[in-house]
Amino acid sequence: NAGVTQTPKFQVLKTGQSMTLQCAQDMNHEYMSWYRQDPGMGLRLIHYSVGAGITDQGEVPNGYNVSRSTTEDFPLRLLSAAPSQTSVYFCASSGTGMRQPQHFGDGTRLSIL
Amino acid sequence: AQTVTQSQPEMSVQEAETVTLSCTYDTSENNYYLFWYKQPPSRQMILVIRQEAYKQQNATENRFSVNFQKAAKSFSLKISDSQLGDTAMYFCAFKPGAQKLVFGQGTRLTINP
Repeated sequence: NAGVTQTPKFQVLKTGQSMTLQCAQDMNHEYMSWYRQDPGMGLRLIHYSVGAGITDQGEVPNGYNVSRSTTEDFPLRLLSAAPSQTSVYFCASSGTGMRQPQHFGDGTRLSIL
Repeated sequence: AQTVTQSQPEMSVQEAETVTLSCTYDTSENNYYLFWYKQPPSRQMILVIRQEAYKQQNATENRFSVNFQKAAKSFSLKISDSQLGDTAMYFCAFKPGAQKLVFGQGTRLTINP
């Protein structure tokens, strides 16, 4: 059981480049989300989805796009990378219900030069 | 706004000692869940323990236990008989509904031999 799989694990981009961080889960979870982790700030929610075709903004959505065409996949797109987006990105999924914990991928370390 | 505060950026104890990590949160919700996650140097986010706000009994998982004070909005984590493998960042997280998690800033815990 793979759980939540994120690719790539590391990436270096130049300012203005675009890229997509991939996230896939095999647990049939309805809820998926993207977080960014910066030193001293914990994890902050970027975007989330409560099911295929449904997405919504989190705390820090600017500069990021998401879509959810299938239950399994939830990619995060950076349209024009900026140095302020240098961070570690985590994808997470969970079943429905308050009690369900979120399961995290291993993270992507992204550096924007 | 719902917030989570971890007031101890760093802590350090000797192996086999007991250590308590503090967490407070702010919410007007009456039912919610609280979680502690561990992030070792490998960067994985690992669920340590969870607590439902409606349950007065404090949750326990082996050497890990919580002291949940709902009126004070406090949710501390106690690690007994600490081990070198407990060295990690620890995040307190608050879940007010079925989806979103709100994280604290984290506490870096070092267990010294």
